Amino acid sequence: AQTVTQSQPEMSVQEAETVTLSCTYDTSESDYYLFWYKQPPSRQMILVIRQEAYKQQNATENRFSVNFQKAAKSFSLKISDSQLGDAAMYFCAYRTDPRYTGNQFYFGTGTSLTVIP
Amino acid sequence: KAGVTQTPRYLIKTRGQQVTLSCSPISGHRSVSWYQQTPGQGLQFLFEYFSETQRNKGNFPGRFSGRQFSNSRSEMNVSTLELGDSALYLCASSSSGTPTDTQYFGPGTRLTVL
Repeated sequence: AQTVTQSQPEMSVQEAETVTLSCTYDTSESDYYLFWYKQPPSRQMILVIRQEAYKQQNATENRFSVNFQKAAKSFSLKISDSQLGDAAMYFCAYRTDPRYTGNQFYFGTGTSLTVIP
Repeated sequence: KAGVTQTPRYLIKTRGQQVTLSCSPISGHRSVSWYQQTPGQGLQFLFEYFSETQRNKGNFPGRFSGRQFSNSRSEMNVSTLELGDSALYLCASSSSGTPTDTQYFGPGTRLTVL
């Protein structure tokens, strides 16, 4: 079974600085999808960034970028120029190929990010 | 476009009772997934419905069931509630479950079992 591990329960960063959140996963599949979701205190989960495993290029969305190391099964999230609004719980998620197993996601336990003014 | 809505937002039940939660996906979305979120277990996948059919199911007992209607709205039912069922139940919708689909989450229903 697929597992997703986030080894940092809590992280903090100074406003305007850069922080990296770690995520590793275990799978025997070759095609899959990786995501970072953000869950602010209001509880609505929001997609931050997505990476398809078949793409070698790391995904980037404005201040958010990933470091995807397929062989190492590592998928870290880098937040640049951190802002107060980035404070939230961040979840790493693995998605199986929906062509074979539907829309099943596996989530890590989350990293709580605090942004210090 | 309206987002994913879930009703009710908060619910208090007692052990042994039954509960039904509702999820209305974004208009046009045909896939609805349900998750249970607890402090100890994190987010766990319950099941996914697509075009009124359950397409995938997580590792939960049969007390947890769901269905999807022709308008894509989905309900989740938990029978014979246990204290451990206290959790935030999240619903997420996506267009059609294709590889590039994005899941959009609702605000959740907070269930407390006393």
